[in-house]
Amino acid sequence: EVQLVESGGGLVQPGRSLKLSCAASGFTFSNYYMAWVRQAPKKGLEWVATISTSGSRTYYPDSVKGRFTISRDNAKSSLYLQMNSLKSEDTATYYCARTCSHWYFDFWGPGTMVTVSS
Amino acid sequence: QIMLTQQAESLWISPGERVSITCRASQSLLYTDGKHYLSWYQQRPGQTTKALIYHASVRTDGVPTRFIGSGSGTEFTLSIEHVQPEDFAIYYCLQTLKSPYTFGAGTKLELK
Repeated sequence: EVQLVESGGGLVQPGRSLKLSCAASGFTFSNYYMAWVRQAPKKGLEWVATISTSGSRTYYPDSVKGRFTISRDNAKSSLYLQMNSLKSEDTATYYCARTCSHWYFDFWGPGTMVTVSS
Repeated sequence: QIMLTQQAESLWISPGERVSITCRASQSLLYTDGKHYLSWYQQRPGQTTKALIYHASVRTDGVPTRFIGSGSGTEFTLSIEHVQPEDFAIYYCLQTLKSPYTFGAGTKLELK
């Protein structure tokens, strides 16, 4: 059974950093692109980052480019999101999602909440 | 970037009815491989987000046949036939043709 479990969320002050983790199980992690998607309270979904199978290629929307870094450790079946220079508008639940070969997000984790506030 | 518009923020329906949710893209989602990079997702409280449809019309494993994806180019529809109580949720479309990948704003199915 595919499982994705995010961790590392919490309350952080504006301008500070936070690193999220996603533990994957039930599939060969190294074979899949992975992504982070976020959802602000009572709002819709927003794609945040994607990483290739080896980690050599990463993709971001302009809203987080230069501040967020996606990475992975295939030996540990883990995905990460380093978030720097956090802003109040980064407050959201962050989901880890697997990207399948048909290029959609086929499995999602339950999410971890990040609140950016002083 | 490609914009996705889900016109209806909410749709009120009764169990057993048929409902259609539309998603309009600002440009064609057809790739050179002949496939549309448009997928649909369901969000229910307390559950993980579930993928329902990919390539505009292909149901993912285990998704009931009452969920039907259709459309091409820039106009796409998710139809649910004989809506069941567990179908009252929020539905999002997503394009993965071009980065940045973008979601529609979501359509909430509500009980009439």
